[in-house]
Parts: sequence; structure tokens; C-alpha cells
Amino acid sequence: AQKITQTQPGMFVQEKEAVTLDCTYDTSDPSYGLFWYKQPSSGEMIFLIYQGSYDQQNATEGRYSLNFQKARKSANLVISASQLGDSAMYFCAMRVLRGSTLGRLYFGRGTQLTVWP
Amino acid sequence: DTEVTQTPKHLVMGMTNKKSLKCEQHMGHRAMYWYKQKAKKPPELMFVYSYEKLSINESVPSRFSPECPNSSLLNLHLHALQPEDSALYLCASSQPTRTDTQYFGPGTRLTVL
Repeated sequence: AQKITQTQPGMFVQEKEAVTLDCTYDTSDPSYGLFWYKQPSSGEMIFLIYQGSYDQQNATEGRYSLNFQKARKSANLVISASQLGDSAMYFCAMRVLRGSTLGRLYFGRGTQLTVWP
Repeated sequence: DTEVTQTPKHLVMGMTNKKSLKCEQHMGHRAMYWYKQKAKKPPELMFVYSYEKLSINESVPSRFSPECPNSSLLNLHLHALQPEDSALYLCASSQPTRTDTQYFGPGTRLTVL
């Protein structure tokens, strides 16, 4: 079975500071992908970053980076230089890459990030 | 262009009404998804279409009826819903590759009275 755990229901960070959102996962499959999505109060799920289990380097996309520690089964999202617009719910998700190529995503419960001035 | 559009943005309906949600993507993706999301919870997968064929139905009640008329359109037909069906309904699309990323639309906020 696949499982994603996000242990921080809420996080607070001051503008311009960096913040780390935690995500641990559990799967017995060696081939998987990890995703982070941002969901503002408007509702849209915005794709932020992807890390494949065989990727050698940690993924980065602008101010977002993924701290991938395979042995610890963690895939933490680091947001540098936080902005007020980063306030949102953040979901970590995983899919295994075996068998069917259809993407069944397993989501964590999410972390509500609040950025204050 | 990673745009998935959904209409309407908001929908209020009675338990005896019939309504439809619409989703459209022009990214050439061949897999499309419907999710249901309750407040402060992660999205729950409802249906998956791949190459216009229904491939996953997560035991969704028959009052929800999906339809994929072509590769860029996905509908969700609603009939005799219950108040507990009130939620945000999200559509997503992806290219059915091994590392496919799902791109989501803005959602339809449904209220069932």
C-alpha cells in the first residue's frame, strides 16, 4: 500500500524567510514519483515540482526545491524567500510507476502555510 | 500552456435537479480525471478516462455519471444528489506516460440543497 504523511497541519513563516514543509512516504515499489501541489483558497490545485525515485539530483523550480532523502523516505518542499502569495494549502502526493501508466495519486492531508508580513 | 478549464465555477442545485459539470483541456493530454474534495481534505479520485475510455471508477454512486465525448472534453452528469455531495469538484488531465504530471482545473464548487 502507498501512504503519504504530512505531519504539519499548519506552518507560519515571515515574508522573505525560507520554510520547509515535511512529507514522508511509504511504498514497497522501487519506481515512483513524488509531487507537490499548492492550493490557494480559490481552489485550484497548482503543480509545483516533481521528483522521480531514480533521479540523482534534487528537483528545483524557481523558489521551490525538493529535499529528497530516499533512505529516509522523505520528500520535503523548501520554499525560499517566502511571499505573501505563498499562503495556501500544500499537498504532497505520490504515484507508483509500475503496471498501468495511469496516474493514481496518493495525497497527504496537506499543510496550511501562512506567510505574514 | 498548462490550462484546464472548468464550468461552471459555482453550482447550487436541489436534490431533484439534473445538472452537468464540464471540463476542457487543450494540451493534447489523453488521460482525464474527476476528483471530489471536501473542505480541508485532500482530493479523492472518482473517475479516470484514458484515450476516451473509462478505466477507473472508484465505486462512485450512480448519481454521478461521467462522460468523455472526445479527448479534450470531460463531463460529469449529476442527478438526485444528496447534501453530502456538496464539495469542490476538480478535473485534471495528464499525458498517460510513466511520469505523467496531472494538471488541475480551477474546480466547480457544488452546493446541494
